[in-house]
Amino acid sequence: EVQLVESGGVVVQPGGSLRLSCAASGFNFDDHAMHWVRQVPGKGLQWLSLISWDGSRTYYADSVKGRFTISRDNTKKSLYLRMDSLRADDTGLYFCAKGGGSQSDMDVWGKGTTVTVS
Amino acid sequence: QSVLTQPPSASGTPGQRVTISCSGSTSNIGSNTVNWYQQVPGTAPKLLIFYNNQRPSGVPDRFSGSKSGTSASLAITGLQSEDEADYYCATWDDSLDGPVFGGGTDLTVL
Repeated sequence: EVQLVESGGVVVQPGGSLRLSCAASGFNFDDHAMHWVRQVPGKGLQWLSLISWDGSRTYYADSVKGRFTISRDNTKKSLYLRMDSLRADDTGLYFCAKGGGSQSDMDVWGKGTTVTVS
Repeated sequence: QSVLTQPPSASGTPGQRVTISCSGSTSNIGSNTVNWYQQVPGTAPKLLIFYNNQRPSGVPDRFSGSKSGTSASLAITGLQSEDEADYYCATWDDSLDGPVFGGGTDLTVL
């Protein structure tokens, strides 16, 4: 079964740092780009970051550029999001998602991990 | 304010056909393929349509997607109660150099 499981979400103070993890199973992790997407409760989806299959290319939304760092360890089938200088508006449910055939489609999603900045 | 514009809500009765629109620009929908996601409240999003009009395995053919110019649409025929969910369009934006989502459409089955 193809599965993504996020972890690492906690309550953190403004200005603090956090690292989220996403464990992948059931597919060839190193064949696929991976995304992080955020959702504020009651609001829509916000794409945050994308990393290529080999980690050589990374992309960020303007709202997190310079504060968040995406990375991956293909030997551990894991995706990470390092979050620094956290702000109250970074509060939300963070999903990792497996990239599909195009740059933008995300064909498998985890259940998310909650980050609260307060 | 989302880069892609969707109506905030839509509704229909069981068996009806409903469409949800998604409007963008030449830097996103106009030059890239469109995806649609379904999110039942309290659950993770699910890919519904990719490459404008392709359905992943397991998605009923009641769901279809189309794209014309800088706009896209999701159509649901034979509406069912379990279709009640939030629907999001998404595509790549060449100017922003990343994926963008619509604001989402809350579909109610009356």
